[in-house]
Amino acid sequence: DVKVTQSSRYLVKRTGEKVFLECVQDMDHENMFWYRQDPGLGLRLIYFSYDVKMKEKGDIPEGYSVSREKKERFSLILESASTNQTSMYLCASRLRENTEAFFGQGTRLTVV
Amino acid sequence: AQTVTQSQPEMSVQEAETVTLSCTYDTSESDYYLFWYKQPPSRQMILVIRQEAYKQQNATENRFSVNFQKAAKSFSLKISDSQLGDAAMYFCAYRNYNQAGTALIFGKGTTLSVSS
Repeated sequence: DVKVTQSSRYLVKRTGEKVFLECVQDMDHENMFWYRQDPGLGLRLIYFSYDVKMKEKGDIPEGYSVSREKKERFSLILESASTNQTSMYLCASRLRENTEAFFGQGTRLTVV
Repeated sequence: AQTVTQSQPEMSVQEAETVTLSCTYDTSESDYYLFWYKQPPSRQMILVIRQEAYKQQNATENRFSVNFQKAAKSFSLKISDSQLGDAAMYFCAYRNYNQAGTALIFGKGTTLSVSS
């Protein structure tokens, strides 16, 4: 079975901290994604990566950056966390276009 | 840009009954995929059903079926013989076909509650 693992299920950080959310997949998938999920807003795409060291902005990239140095790992970085970044973050991966996407279990981030 | 609209924030159904969740979308593409995902309280997103736009036949997976109306840009999910385990948030999603770097576009979700 494909496994997409997010490093933390719950995270509490202080305003202004640099925050790293890690996502690892074990099936040699080319494409990886970071979404943000908020009540009443659904899932919104922050960034995606279609290959190592490649990245594309999604719909809401402001305040975030990403890193993909190795194929299996896709990191979401909050350079200076703010309270409006309190949310659920979901990572997903897929082998390539036209294949099924698999999701991690989400990281609920609270910024205080 | 493509958009996905789910107009029902919440729905409820009794066990063994049938419920239909609505989804409409907007696109100028002719080839695309549509999906329904389920997110239970565990937060794990699970693919329920998938429909390719070029297929006229509606997809079916056990108790789950879709009503795909391409001209109307409508993609509803029917859950038959509802079970307590069906209680979850359901997301409708869209993806362009065979285009590099395309991501899933999601609706805002419908929370389904199931009562015994």
